[in-house]
Amino acid sequence: DTGVSQDPRHKITKRGQNVTFRCDPISEHNRLYWYRQTLGQGPEFLTYFQNEAQLEKSRLLSDRFSAERPKGSFSTLEIQRTEQGDSAMYLCASSPGVYTYEQYFGPGTRLTVT
Amino acid sequence: GENVEQHPSTLSVQEGDSAVIKCTYSDSASNYFPWYKQELGKRPQLIIDIRSNVGEKKDQRIAVTLNKTAKHFSLHITETQPEDSAVYFCAASDSGGSNYKLTFGKGTLLTVNP
Repeated sequence: DTGVSQDPRHKITKRGQNVTFRCDPISEHNRLYWYRQTLGQGPEFLTYFQNEAQLEKSRLLSDRFSAERPKGSFSTLEIQRTEQGDSAMYLCASSPGVYTYEQYFGPGTRLTVT
Repeated sequence: GENVEQHPSTLSVQEGDSAVIKCTYSDSASNYFPWYKQELGKRPQLIIDIRSNVGEKKDQRIAVTLNKTAKHFSLHITETQPEDSAVYFCAASDSGGSNYKLTFGKGTLLTVNP
């Protein structure tokens, strides 16, 4: 499968715990995005990487959230001290590069905070 | 920032009928408008997109139209089939900077009745 992959697909955690998600974009895609989707809503932008540089963060991304893309390939999204309001589907998308708009989504990681 | 409104929120049609979903956007500088199909528990799948220099684009039974003056765009599905049943999201690219992040509508649940 050469599409965007995400791991884990599901995560159940207790409030206050830290969680980390991984995204593997399509090979050679320079742009990588994280979105969050709650039930009945469209995805909401969280953050964006071009290669290894994190170029934009949404105000939705509180200080408890951090994202990295250390070598310009896979990316991780960490949530510290999880809250029940963090329960959502976390989607990763990748895009080929400059002047290319299309974004291809991964299957998402569904986070449930109890 | 960009704001995308999508209507209707639910749409039920008979197999073989046409379906139309409409979206409006607020940022006149937005220049890329994709449509995604999301089946239950699956990733959003890019089905068609249009750029601001084009008024209409077709791909088999699916077409998208764009009216830049009115800032609205629409998805048209002809000869609907049960497998077209899904949630459809419109989106607009936020032209702030060069990150091409997407702002999504809230989605339309399309049900095609056999």
